[in-house]
Amino acid sequence: DAGITQSPRHKVTETGTPVTLRCHQTENHRYMYWYRQDPGHGLRLIHYSYGVKDTDKGEVSDGYSVSRSKTEDFLLTLESATSSQTSVYFCAISEGRDNQPQHFGDGTRLSIL
Amino acid sequence: AQSVAQPEDQVNVAEGNPLTVKCTYSVSGNPYLFWYVQYPNRGLQFLLKYITGDNLVKGSYGFEAEFNKSQTSFHLKKPSALVSDSALYFCAVRANSGYSTLTFGKGTMLLVSP
Repeated sequence: DAGITQSPRHKVTETGTPVTLRCHQTENHRYMYWYRQDPGHGLRLIHYSYGVKDTDKGEVSDGYSVSRSKTEDFLLTLESATSSQTSVYFCAISEGRDNQPQHFGDGTRLSIL
Repeated sequence: AQSVAQPEDQVNVAEGNPLTVKCTYSVSGNPYLFWYVQYPNRGLQFLLKYITGDNLVKGSYGFEAEFNKSQTSFHLKKPSALVSDSALYFCAVRANSGYSTLTFGKGTMLLVSP
């Protein structure tokens, strides 16, 4: 398995609080991604990074921000969490973007009450 | 905009029988196509990909997929299903040019009965 660690694995928090999820990789891959998985929607891309301090928005980026200060770490922040952001969040990495497969972490289950 | 359709929410098959999980796609230009599998409480695992060349692609755990350009399909197949193949399967696509990202289907649950 690719060396991808997501933390925390589970989190319960309240509406309006800030939340930060961390993705750490040991593969030295250039690309990192944040997805959310919801029933009936499959996986939807939130943000991705193509290098240190280089990020771009995905399909469902509203309400989320990201940062990548080191190759190995990609942080996802919910500035003010809402119940609609209750989901399972997955981090993925890839060597390149074109035809390289993405490798996924085991996810963070986030519940916002 | 690119998209993926997995028309079946669930596929049921008996152990030892062949299985097919369907996927059709829409993309501008030529596609890169992927299949992933997800077991409970785990992340997605890469199974196989189509980039170019032979329309029949072989992947992990005995799975294969057939690319059909005229039907814009990329169905996942296995000659003989195992109970341990029971999982959630995702098809994904991106265009092979430009700056598009990967788009996933909604997933198909495969249940293999003993």
